[in-house]
Amino acid sequence: LAKTTQPISMDSYEGQEVNITCSHNNIATNDYITWYQQFPSQGPRFIIQGYKTKVTNEVASLFIPADRKSSTLSLPRVSLSDTAVYYCLVGDWDSGTYKYIFGTGTRLKVLA
Amino acid sequence: GAVVSQHPSWVICKSGTSVKIECRSLDFQATTMFWYRQFPKQSLMLMATSNEGSKATYEQGVEKDKFLINHASLTLSTLTVTSAHPEDSSFYICSARDASQGLNQPQHFGDGTRLSIL
Repeated sequence: LAKTTQPISMDSYEGQEVNITCSHNNIATNDYITWYQQFPSQGPRFIIQGYKTKVTNEVASLFIPADRKSSTLSLPRVSLSDTAVYYCLVGDWDSGTYKYIFGTGTRLKVLA
Repeated sequence: GAVVSQHPSWVICKSGTSVKIECRSLDFQATTMFWYRQFPKQSLMLMATSNEGSKATYEQGVEKDKFLINHASLTLSTLTVTSAHPEDSSFYICSARDASQGLNQPQHFGDGTRLSIL
């Protein structure tokens, strides 16, 4: 079972900031939180990863509260091309391998 | 950096044919590779995990004799769908990770293979 829960879908308008929150109540002490973006008929693309507090790169910011039971991906000033599915992932140890189990993801639609 | 190449991107073949999909890490050592399957409008479903030089570990419900996985080198894994049937038609995606560098190394994904069985 996926270890994360996200809203199934969100709509936004061009130029707005979009925040997608993910719940991961059972995150383990050594788990990192990783976000991916997926366009139709393509593989997921890495956006950002963090362990605690705040991480920022050229495309997004990731906010992680002290208890690490949730995280928020922030996309500043979205454009139409940001319409995609966004996945929040934490790893899962199974049979000695650290792997990702995907949840439903959040389908973001950016409107003109 | 961290590029994963998957080939072919699209395959159409007749029922009963076996199809091989290749997944290569181009600029890093993929100590662990993963194979996923995705149906339209659904999330990715993990099929199997393979560590270099070891037998793959399959998720529950995935037939190991149907989906043969080989991970013989640190840069290449293959998935062979044996005797494919129309119900095997799907989007197959591989990913790779350098587990030797620690848990903060994310998985990097290929661009997927669209398999259509007639």
